[in-house]
Amino acid sequence: DTGVSQDPRHKITKRGQNVTFRCDPISEHNRLYWYRQTLGQGPEFLTYFQNEAQLEKSRLLSDRFSAERPKGSFSTLEIQRTEQGDSAMYLCASRISSAEAFFGQGTRLTVV
Amino acid sequence: AQSVSQHNHHVILSEAASLELGCNYSYGGTVNLFWYVQYPGQHLQLLLKYFSGDPLVKGIKGFEAEFIKSKFSFNLRKPSVQWSDTAEYFCAVDDYGNNRLAFGKGNQVVVIP
Repeated sequence: DTGVSQDPRHKITKRGQNVTFRCDPISEHNRLYWYRQTLGQGPEFLTYFQNEAQLEKSRLLSDRFSAERPKGSFSTLEIQRTEQGDSAMYLCASRISSAEAFFGQGTRLTVV
Repeated sequence: AQSVSQHNHHVILSEAASLELGCNYSYGGTVNLFWYVQYPGQHLQLLLKYFSGDPLVKGIKGFEAEFIKSKFSFNLRKPSVQWSDTAEYFCAVDDYGNNRLAFGKGNQVVVIP
């Protein structure tokens, strides 16, 4: 499968723990996006990269969240000191410039 | 900041009925417009897109959408729905200024056989 892949698919963690998610985009895609989706809501933009540069971060992204795309390929999203409100589906998408975005299956985070 | 509005979050209709989902956006500049669909248990998939040209665009599975610039709208339509169209539908807008790709809250569509 040459689509966008995310790992893990599910993560259950205790409040206060740190978690890290990985996204592998489609190989030639220069833009990579992270979104958060909760039940009954559309994907909420968190941040995006063009190659290795993080070009924009949403105000939703508190200082407990950090994202990297070190070589312009895969990306990681880390949440430090998780809170119950962080429970959500975290989606990754990639695209070539302004063309259509392709989404991964998402990582479902449950903070207990 | 740009925003995307979708109304009538829950839509229930019978097979063969017509479907229209509204999408309005706030950004006044040049935009790219998309409709994505999420079938139960699956990831978001592109249904159709508009970049330029003919404002009436056709997508997969018999869906079409019309871009009306003066109304900042990009409404989705399907003349006759099937049970397999049960899904959540999201409108997305990408403005040339920031490439943020913002989504609406979605429409949950249930088609009754």
